[in-house]
Amino acid sequence: EDKVVQSPLSLVVHEGDTVTLNCSYEVTNFRSLLWYKQEKKAPTFLFMLTSSGIEKKSGRLSSILDKKELFSILNITATQTGDSAVYLCAVETISTSGTYKYIFGTGTRLKVLA
Amino acid sequence: DSGVTQTPKHLITATGQRVTLRCSPRSGDLSVYWYQQSLDQGLQFLIQYYNGEERAKGNILERFSAQQFPDLHSELNLSSLELGDSALYFCASSPTTGGYSYEQYFGPGTRLTVT
Repeated sequence: EDKVVQSPLSLVVHEGDTVTLNCSYEVTNFRSLLWYKQEKKAPTFLFMLTSSGIEKKSGRLSSILDKKELFSILNITATQTGDSAVYLCAVETISTSGTYKYIFGTGTRLKVLA
Repeated sequence: DSGVTQTPKHLITATGQRVTLRCSPRSGDLSVYWYQQSLDQGLQFLIQYYNGEERAKGNILERFSAQQFPDLHSELNLSSLELGDSALYFCASSPTTGGYSYEQYFGPGTRLTVT
């Protein structure tokens, strides 16, 4: 059965710290991996990764995918209180019949203290 | 504001009833996705439509159905509602091209409460 596991489940840091969030997956026919940030309401897109070893960056956030070891990490440097949120990882797969599916991890809850 | 709209914002109904949730994607996006988020289950992918055709299917119950109309808006129909169907239902849209689903833009969600 396809699965996506995120760790840690929860993290509390102080402003200015650097955090690394992990997402490992076991799926058949991987297509892409996506990271989202969910604050109080709807998730907002952060990154989409399809190729191993290519880092994607956006400001203080960066992410990389390792398709051999089946995981991705999301790094946040110089954290701010506004980074407090649940970070979701999702994997897009395709079945042999051509059906696509999206599997979400349970998320990592990050709290940044002032 | 993602550009994806969902109506209604809140819905309270009784067990056994049927409801319809509506979603309008961002202008130009051909793909629409539906998700269910409950406290104990996290975010669960339900179904995706691309330009009117079903493209991906997740853990959608047989009591649930969806469709995408020619104007690209989508509706999610939930019938024979049970208490466990109480959740936040999100719609998302994306500019799927070249076979890949790019970033998904989420609407604000519809909170369904079944009493």
